[in-house]
Amino acid sequence: DTEVTQTPKHLVMGMTNKKSLKCEQHMGHRAMYWYKQKAKKPPELMFVYSYEKLSINESVPSRFSPECPNSSLLNLHLHALQPEDSALYLCASSHIAGGGPDTQYFGPGTRLTVL
Amino acid sequence: KNQVEQSPQSLIILEGKNCTLQCNYTVSPFSNLRWYKQDTGRGPVSLTIMTFSENTKSNGRYTATLDADTKQSSLHITASQLSDSASYICVVRSNYGQNFVFGPGTRLSVLP
Repeated sequence: DTEVTQTPKHLVMGMTNKKSLKCEQHMGHRAMYWYKQKAKKPPELMFVYSYEKLSINESVPSRFSPECPNSSLLNLHLHALQPEDSALYLCASSHIAGGGPDTQYFGPGTRLTVL
Repeated sequence: KNQVEQSPQSLIILEGKNCTLQCNYTVSPFSNLRWYKQDTGRGPVSLTIMTFSENTKSNGRYTATLDADTKQSSLHITASQLSDSASYICVVRSNYGQNFVFGPGTRLSVLP
């Protein structure tokens, strides 16, 4: 199984809502990532979890709160978002957290629209 | 500064034709380079991954090359199909930490 799943596929929320994005993989990967991608731009790294611990936080606003309950799951909690946060949110995983020739596997993404 | 550049920014070709996409990078120390295909609104899918010692790697109609001396890579697509229409992203990984550096992508459109 080389699949990363993400739910929901689409999400529309108001600026006062609280919602969560979910990501799951069963490949035994110990590194998981959240990316944000705007239209016609490459993905931008938001967070990296390594062995269920947050290892990289790329100065993301606190209205985005990641959570890694276990090695297979990664959540992104959203609160008080702004319209400019509308984007495709991608989850990815890889075997290990360090360098090396392993591949990042991406999920299909969640298309988020903030009204 | 670690950077990845890609050219052309966009490309339109007719079905059945071949094309080559370019990737130049300044990432150091180099670990590996990957090419991804991304359909609009979907997650990227890995096509190839190349390490320092590899010059050429093929995956079906996709052939990637790597010149570690000049820090250049190319992705050659043979006998293009309509389903090849997508963005192709070059990603270079550093040996330090979680540093995946993404290129801006090349938008390929294959017309009938």
